[in-house]
Amino acid sequence: DAKTTQPTSMDCAEGRAANLPCNHSTISGNEYVYWYRQIHSQGPQYIIHGLKNNETNEMASLIITEDRKSSTLILPHATLRDTAVYYCIVRVPGSARQLTFGSGTQLTVLP
Amino acid sequence: DADVTQTPRNRITKTGKRIMLECSQTKGHDRMYWYRQDPGLGLQLIYYSFDVKDINKGEISDGYSVSRQAQAKFSLSLESAIPNQTALYFCATRGTGGSDTQYFGPGTRLTVL
Repeated sequence: DAKTTQPTSMDCAEGRAANLPCNHSTISGNEYVYWYRQIHSQGPQYIIHGLKNNETNEMASLIITEDRKSSTLILPHATLRDTAVYYCIVRVPGSARQLTFGSGTQLTVLP
Repeated sequence: DADVTQTPRNRITKTGKRIMLECSQTKGHDRMYWYRQDPGLGLQLIYYSFDVKDINKGEISDGYSVSRQAQAKFSLSLESAIPNQTALYFCATRGTGGSDTQYFGPGTRLTVL
């Protein structure tokens, strides 16, 4: 799996958009970008994934640069319940390898 | 109802005791996983199973064993618990095919005294 780099922590005001960056400069052509989050002491939660096109679902949007070397997860209207550690993971879908969660970004949504 | 459930949610035990953590899922997934998480750290894979007859060791399987009783049930046992097994334990499932999405249970907080 390609290595990812994320900022250690970020703050965001409640109601504003939270933009979480991830660098994955060694991503290969068949690797997807996945985002999970973990609210304190709860099980990780899948958010979204994509290959090269921008993706949107009910939770978030994923913007992947044209060269695929970086991506941004966008929470359009952050709430206090979005405070969590956000993990960017790059891997080939269906791989037998385990998910590897790096250190992630601690997002704190401030009232 | 939650798709992936774990019991117990919290457990305190003593060194040397045998402990079983249970995981059940209603997603119909073939693949199931057990992870542990230590404070401030990422997830480490203990065991995983791709179907009822398939059991595989993860990166930290020593001191643990598992049983896949049915497609929906995957149990983790600590035969003789020790204090450094104090951690959060998560069960996860994943469907077959191209999807790589894993669905996690709420976790079991285990304390070994």
